Amino acid sequence: EDQVTQSPEALRLQEGESSSLNCSYTVSGLRGLFWYRQDPGKGPEFLFTLYSAGEEKEKERLKATLTKKESFLHITAPKPEDSATYLCAVQDRSGGSYIPTFGRGTSLIVHP
Amino acid sequence: DVKVTQSSRYLVKRTGEKVFLECVQDMDHENMFWYRQDPGLGLRLIYFSYDVKMKEKGDIPEGYSVSREKKERFSLILESASTNQTSMYLCASSRGLAGADTQYFGPGTRLTVL
Repeated sequence: EDQVTQSPEALRLQEGESSSLNCSYTVSGLRGLFWYRQDPGKGPEFLFTLYSAGEEKEKERLKATLTKKESFLHITAPKPEDSATYLCAVQDRSGGSYIPTFGRGTSLIVHP
Repeated sequence: DVKVTQSSRYLVKRTGEKVFLECVQDMDHENMFWYRQDPGLGLRLIYFSYDVKMKEKGDIPEGYSVSREKKERFSLILESASTNQTSMYLCASSRGLAGADTQYFGPGTRLTVL
């Protein structure tokens, strides 16, 4: 059974204090790993898709990396507006399923 | 940009009422999904559809049904609303790619059943 574990559950940072969020996964074969940002009371907003180990993608202060067992979302010099819950999801290559498995998310608060 | 819209941001219904939640996507996506999201439980899949008039049960289909008469529209129906269906409901769509298939989400409907 596919599993996705995100850590930490919650993270508090000071503005400008860089850190990383972790997403560990177990799948038979990875089709894709997705990162989303979710603001309170809103739907998840797509950030990145990663396809294979070694791949990296960047968007503003966010950088996502992928290994065979985990992904990191690095946040460089965060600002208060980066406060949100960050969700990770994986799509397994086996079984022909379209359905990704989601982690429970990391709630990030950035204090000014 | 992909746009997924949901008919209501907030709904308040009474126990036993029939409730319709509608979702529309404008990118000609093949797949559409309904999730509910509750604190501590994460996203849970209710139903999904990979084609018009086709539907598949997700992890928690009990108490729900769905309808997809047109490709762009996917409706979630609560046949007889109960208080334990109070939740945030999220619709998503995806292209239906053979490879990694990104889901795009709507803004969500916060449903309260009294």
